[in-house]
Amino acid sequence: QKEVEQDPGPLSVPEGAIVSLNCTYSNSAFQYFMWYRQYSRKGPELLMYTYSSGNKEDGRFTAQVDKSSKYISLFIRDSQPSDSATYLCAMSAVRQGAQKLVFGQGTRLTINP
Amino acid sequence: DTAVSQTPKYLVTQMGNDKSIKCEQNLGHDTMYWYKQDSKKFLKIMFSYNNKELIINETVPNRFSPKSPDKAHLNLHINSLELGDSAVYFCASSYKGRSYNEQFFGPGTRLTVL
Repeated sequence: QKEVEQDPGPLSVPEGAIVSLNCTYSNSAFQYFMWYRQYSRKGPELLMYTYSSGNKEDGRFTAQVDKSSKYISLFIRDSQPSDSATYLCAMSAVRQGAQKLVFGQGTRLTINP
Repeated sequence: DTAVSQTPKYLVTQMGNDKSIKCEQNLGHDTMYWYKQDSKKFLKIMFSYNNKELIINETVPNRFSPKSPDKAHLNLHINSLELGDSAVYFCASSYKGRSYNEQFFGPGTRLTVL
């Protein structure tokens, strides 16, 4: 069993829809929870991170963490075609000062105009 | 200016060859990483260096040898390349610390082994 599980999709929705992306994890030692966005042929870029259970909002994006269920989500409101990308959840624990990121497989999202 | 840069962007080579990928960051970070992303987009950490010292070394064949001449550079040398080494390799950097520090990724090097 992988430490982090993420449905790879692909997921295709119309513009303006609310998108929900999810990951589950098995390692209770994870301290930080992140969502990265990766456009085609580019490196991942951080969208949001959080370290506690609950919701964190940033514009159209909301990250949700439920540590008791080992489940994290990313919601995208009013989705735009420019949101089309692969979304990677990632979790980490600090080891000797370095962040060992463990990624989910990524969900490929397409927003149709 | 690109914060984390990698060269080359594309690398096509024959099985059995030896190749290197270079990474440089100008963010002033002291910790650098190598990740491998396979054809299914699964991104996995390989190594991490802090100030030229190896601190994370995942289960990677010893054909892969990272080298950090200084804290702004982390190169990856691969010996005796195999078909399964074909992937996109990403370099990343961050500050070292006991709490969260964002990792910044480079644009990737797409390695194809024929």
